[in-house]
Amino acid sequence: GQNIDQPTEMTATEGAIVQINCTYQTSGFNGLFWYQQHAGEAPTFLSYNVLDGLEEKGRFSSFLSRSKGYSYLLLKELQMKDSASYLCAVRPLTTDSWGKLQFGAGTQVVVTP
Amino acid sequence: DGGITQSPKYLFRKEGQNVTLSCEQNLNHDAMYWYRQDPGQGLRLIYYSQIVNDFQKGDIAEGYSVSREKKESFPLTVTSAQKNPTAFYLCAIQATNYGYTFGSGTRLTVV
Repeated sequence: GQNIDQPTEMTATEGAIVQINCTYQTSGFNGLFWYQQHAGEAPTFLSYNVLDGLEEKGRFSSFLSRSKGYSYLLLKELQMKDSASYLCAVRPLTTDSWGKLQFGAGTQVVVTP
Repeated sequence: DGGITQSPKYLFRKEGQNVTLSCEQNLNHDAMYWYRQDPGQGLRLIYYSQIVNDFQKGDIAEGYSVSREKKESFPLTVTSAQKNPTAFYLCAIQATNYGYTFGSGTRLTVV
């Protein structure tokens, strides 16, 4: 199975940068996802990494190291609307689990003025 | 308007009652999933279906049942056997090769 760890909460100031780490242990790996979830709402897709390296998408970037079982989500130029929970999810590589994702507990990011 | 629709948004269940949560999609996707979210915990997979008339148990299927009679619909029934059903329930489709698109969720509360 998978064990996915990420910090519970992080606080940062508007305009700053925050890095959310995610470590995972998996019997097989077929991609890592980051989702953003505002309180009371559904998660929305942010990024996907399947190969090592950095994927940049505007103010958000995501990094993956498969050998270390490690990813991070980098949020730059923080805005108040970035206050949300950020979920790390891993897609395992097994024949009977195509498409299924395993989620971490989420990191609550609080942006202060 | 294309997408995935969950209803109702809020649902209240009495002790010993079965309730059914609706999930409908018009994106013609085969794979659909039901997750449960509790505070401080990650999303946990209840059931999933990769094709019509077939579904599989996820990690926490006890006390739940599903059906997949039509491609567009994947309803979830929370039975009286589920002892702690209060949670936020999310339905998802495998929208692309990259990840899920979620419905807006149903918040179920036991009264």
